[in-house]
Amino acid sequence: QKEVEQDPGPLSVPEGAIVSLNCTYSNSAFQYFMWYRQYSRKGPELLMYTYSSGNKEDGRFTAQVDKSSKYISLFIRDSQPSDSATYLCAMSAGKQAGTALIFGKGTTLSVSS
Amino acid sequence: DAGVTQSPTHLIKTRGQQVTLRCSPKSGHDTVSWYQQALGQGPQFIFQYYEEEERQRGNFPDRFSGHQFPNYSSELNVNALLLGDSALYLCASSVGFQETQYFGPGTRLLVL
Repeated sequence: QKEVEQDPGPLSVPEGAIVSLNCTYSNSAFQYFMWYRQYSRKGPELLMYTYSSGNKEDGRFTAQVDKSSKYISLFIRDSQPSDSATYLCAMSAGKQAGTALIFGKGTTLSVSS
Repeated sequence: DAGVTQSPTHLIKTRGQQVTLRCSPKSGHDTVSWYQQALGQGPQFIFQYYEEEERQRGNFPDRFSGHQFPNYSSELNVNALLLGDSALYLCASSVGFQETQYFGPGTRLLVL
């Protein structure tokens, strides 16, 4: 079993839809959770960062972490064609165990106008 | 404010050759991490440098080595290239051991 599981999709939605992206993980030591967006042939861009459990909102994006279920989510409201990209979840155990990021495979999202 | 920069943008090598990739961190950042991203996969951690020392290493063979310079820039060296080393190599920078890492555009390596 991989440490971080993420459905690669592809996921296709119409413009304006609410998108839900998810990851599960097995390592209970993970405390820091991130979502990156990666456009084709580009480097990952940090979208959201959350420590421990809870919700965090930034504009059209909401990140949720449920440590009891080892499950994290990213919601995108009012999706736009410019949101079409691969979304990568990443997590780390923190300073004591090292800050190497462990990534999921990424979910490819396509938003049609 | 310059972000993370990497060079070259892409290169082609043959099996058995050696390659050096370069990274300059974001302004104000002092920690550099390297990742390998194969096609259709998420990035995999190679190693991390802080204060010119390798602080953490992922599950990569000794053919992968690195260096950090006093100005915080870094190099990734790969010896005895294999076909399976073909990938996008990403550099990420951070401040100290903060979890938020910012990535460069990557170097695309093709090994023939």
